[in-house]
Amino acid sequence: LAKTTQPISMDSYEGQEVNITCSHNNIATNDYITWYQQFPSQGPRFIIQGYKTKVTNEVASLFIPADRKSSTLSLPRVSLSDTAVYYCLVGDLGGNYGQNFVFGPGTRLSVLP
Amino acid sequence: EAGVAQSPRYKIIEKRQSVAFWCNPISGHATLYWYQQILGQGPKLLIQFQNNGVVDDSQLPKDRFSAERLKGVDSTLKIQPAKLEDSAVYLCASSLTETQYFGPGTRLLVL
Repeated sequence: LAKTTQPISMDSYEGQEVNITCSHNNIATNDYITWYQQFPSQGPRFIIQGYKTKVTNEVASLFIPADRKSSTLSLPRVSLSDTAVYYCLVGDLGGNYGQNFVFGPGTRLSVLP
Repeated sequence: EAGVAQSPRYKIIEKRQSVAFWCNPISGHATLYWYQQILGQGPKLLIQFQNNGVVDDSQLPKDRFSAERLKGVDSTLKIQPAKLEDSAVYLCASSLTETQYFGPGTRLLVL
């Protein structure tokens, strides 16, 4: 299983760009990188997924260097409502996706006014 | 599109009692997951179903936990007997491809 390491917590202010980096040194060739967001009293919610280079959607960007041993989730111009726990996950997309899908403790992002 | 439904939302029981949680996945999603999330930790996969077959239950404490997915749709997770350390949020998720969609969870408190 590819293990991930990310900061336990981060603070930011409204309107700033937030970058959360995740390390996954033993990522396998077939593994994708996925980020989830979790608000209190809710289940995790999919944010973005990528394999290499850069992926962007309406919520965030994901930067993955060529060696794929790390990835950075970028949240542009955060607001108070972005305060949540963010999980970095690494796993293959085969039929046993859940088997190789391990949540770490995540990064608790606090956005301050 | 309706999301993943779970019930009850909250449950308080005494240790050694039994409890059951219900999950209704998104229509058409073949894969269903049950996770346990202890306060301050990330979710831990307990069991994964593909249709009505078990794909992975390696982290399910089988001496007290059981799960079934009759007809490949709804699923039930049972704990019998419950222990204090079972206090957690139990999350159900479903997926069609690789993205998992989570329900709101059931918060269990064992006294």
